[in-house]
Amino acid sequence: DGGITQSPKYLFRKEGQNVTLSCEQNLNHDAMYWYRQDPGQGLRLIYYSQIVNDFQKGDIAEGYSVSREKKESFPLTVTSAQKNPTAFYLCASSMDRRVSNQPQHFGDGTRLSIL
Amino acid sequence: EDQVTQSPEALRLQEGESSSLNCSYTVSGLRGLFWYRQDPGKGPEFLFTLYSAGEEKEKERLKATLTKKESFLHITAPKPEDSATYLCAVQAYGGTSYGKLTFGQGTILTVHP
Repeated sequence: DGGITQSPKYLFRKEGQNVTLSCEQNLNHDAMYWYRQDPGQGLRLIYYSQIVNDFQKGDIAEGYSVSREKKESFPLTVTSAQKNPTAFYLCASSMDRRVSNQPQHFGDGTRLSIL
Repeated sequence: EDQVTQSPEALRLQEGESSSLNCSYTVSGLRGLFWYRQDPGKGPEFLFTLYSAGEEKEKERLKATLTKKESFLHITAPKPEDSATYLCAVQAYGGTSYGKLTFGQGTILTVHP
C-alpha cells in the first residue's frame, strides 16, 4: 500500500539533546512537508521541500533542521535550540505543485515529549 | 496574511441529527480549500478540495460547499463513527506558490448513539 510512514510513534527528548524524526513516502510525490500540531491550534508549517536537495523554511523553522537527500525521505531534526519541542509532528507529501493544487497526504505523526 | 477560522470549536450531536461546520477564510487569492478528518492520535485524512465559489462535493454523509468567504461541511444523519476533528485549510496564490496550507484550529465533532 502506498503511503507515508513516520517513526517513531512516540519520542522522548532529554534536555540538550537533538532528536530526529523519520518520514518516508512511497507515493512518488515530489513535495514533502513538516507540520507541528499543538492542542487547540491549527497545524503550523516548519519546513518544506519541493525537490531533492532543496528545502525551504516555513513559518516556525527556528530550532529545527531537515535534509532531502532522497525523494522518498525527509527527516526532521529537533535541535536543543527548540525550547518548546513538546508537540505532535506531522509529515505530509503532495504531487508536483506545478501540475495542479493537489491535496497533501499525511502520515500518522510522531508525538514528542520532554523528559 | 491568510487566516482560517473554524466554528464551533466543538459540536455534540445525537445520531441522526444533521448539522453544519463552518470555515471562514481570508486569503489574497484562493487556489483551493481543503477539508480533512483527523482521528485521535492519527494524521489528517483528506476529504475534499474546493476550488471556486458555488462548488459542492459529496462523500457519503458529508457535503462540502464554498462561497467567497466561507465553506460549510454539512453532515447528514451522522453516525458515531463520524466522530472526529474536522480541519479546514486554504491554499493561496502567492509569490512562492509552494503549496503552503494555512489551517484552522479544527472542530471536534462527537456523535452520540
